[in-house]
Amino acid sequence: AQSVTQLDSQVPVFEEAPVELRCNYSSSVSVYLFWYVQYPNQGLQLLLKYLSGSTLVKGINGFEAEFNKSQTSFHLRKPSVHISDTAEYFCAASTGTASKLTFGTGTRLQVTL
Amino acid sequence: DGGITQSPKYLFRKEGQNVTLSCEQNLNHDAMYWYRQDPGQGLRLIYYSQIVNDFQKGDIAEGYSVSREKKESFPLTVTSAQKNPTAFYLCASSSQGTLVWNQPQHFGDGTRLSIL
Repeated sequence: AQSVTQLDSQVPVFEEAPVELRCNYSSSVSVYLFWYVQYPNQGLQLLLKYLSGSTLVKGINGFEAEFNKSQTSFHLRKPSVHISDTAEYFCAASTGTASKLTFGTGTRLQVTL
Repeated sequence: DGGITQSPKYLFRKEGQNVTLSCEQNLNHDAMYWYRQDPGQGLRLIYYSQIVNDFQKGDIAEGYSVSREKKESFPLTVTSAQKNPTAFYLCASSSQGTLVWNQPQHFGDGTRLSIL
């Protein structure tokens, strides 16, 4: 079965510092990958997606992610974070046919001054 | 503005009681989904529907039921058979109704269910 692993449950970072949130997936076939952000007591909002093509994907709010097939990873990055980026971030994957979307357990990004 | 509306925002259930969570979308999406979110466990799929009058069980369907009589609506009933219903419930929709999960899902703001 497909799985998505987010190795870090929490990532503390100072404002204006760079950040990387890690995501690894298990799939031997073509995969579709997503990053979502969740603010407190709200639903999830799509940050970016990888379906095919360029391995570097740019999303909203200055985030980007790189698809690495050999390492089965899809890490999320931002060169300079802001206080307002404090939220929970979820990586999700699908093999796209009859495979449902599988979510990771989430990474809590805490940005402080 | 188009979106997904979940109601109520907070809901309390007594022992032995069934409760229904509402989910309405005006995005003209074919597919709709219900997820359960527990701390540290991410999102788990309860039920999904890719077309009106049809729905499939997800990974944790036991103790839940759904209906899809209209394209815009996908209510979830938490039955008394669900022994641990306390959680945050999220409804989502996507534009692709066929068996392709590469479309991004749009989420409502959730319903928090607690036991009295």
